[in-house]
Amino acid sequence: DTGVSQDPRHKITKRGQNVTFRCDPISEHNRLYWYRQTLGQGPEFLTYFQNEAQLEKSRLLSDRFSAERPKGSFSTLEIQRTEQGDSAMYLCASSLMTGNEKLFFGSGTQLSVL
Amino acid sequence: QKEVEQNSGPLSVPEGAIASLNCTYSDRGSQSFFWYRQYSGKSPELIMFIYSNGDKEDGRFTAQLNKASQYVSLLIRDSQPSDSATYLCAVNKETALIFGKGTTLSVSS
Repeated sequence: DTGVSQDPRHKITKRGQNVTFRCDPISEHNRLYWYRQTLGQGPEFLTYFQNEAQLEKSRLLSDRFSAERPKGSFSTLEIQRTEQGDSAMYLCASSLMTGNEKLFFGSGTQLSVL
Repeated sequence: QKEVEQNSGPLSVPEGAIASLNCTYSDRGSQSFFWYRQYSGKSPELIMFIYSNGDKEDGRFTAQLNKASQYVSLLIRDSQPSDSATYLCAVNKETALIFGKGTTLSVSS
């Protein structure tokens, strides 16, 4: 058990560029979540997968954001046409499907949009 | 009304004192309640969870839940400087967790 792994740890991009982040959950966990956190705020829910199915998306999630979990293992989060307001820490978390939602977080990807 | 509310602090306590962190939530249907600790620049780490009314103790930490008042708290006994961090309260909404803004705790030696 190596924990939740996220790559890259840091990403600097120019406004208008596309970026993609990867998350590898804890191996036996079938639920995977993406959150976004800005300074002074708690993590904000973006979307969640159960195995390969994307079951819930926040209504706040722009259509520039897309997430996939093609084989029910790792997941990617893509942001198209980045904006300065997208600058944040993007956190991935995973959990077992036990009904009590204990989430374990990765180290996050810090995105800076210039 | 925000779904999960916490006083952002900072809460300052001397070493050895009891730190009391509070959280209120709006959804009466919530069943699972969590406390995460987040050090500056790091990701949240789960430290306590509670599902039933009453108290749950784990070492120096005690979580308290009152569903009638929609209130969750975390007590940290014998506070140490290493406890200085932001403490996030999280409440389930369907299958996701909704987080508060966090309370910053500072323990002075």
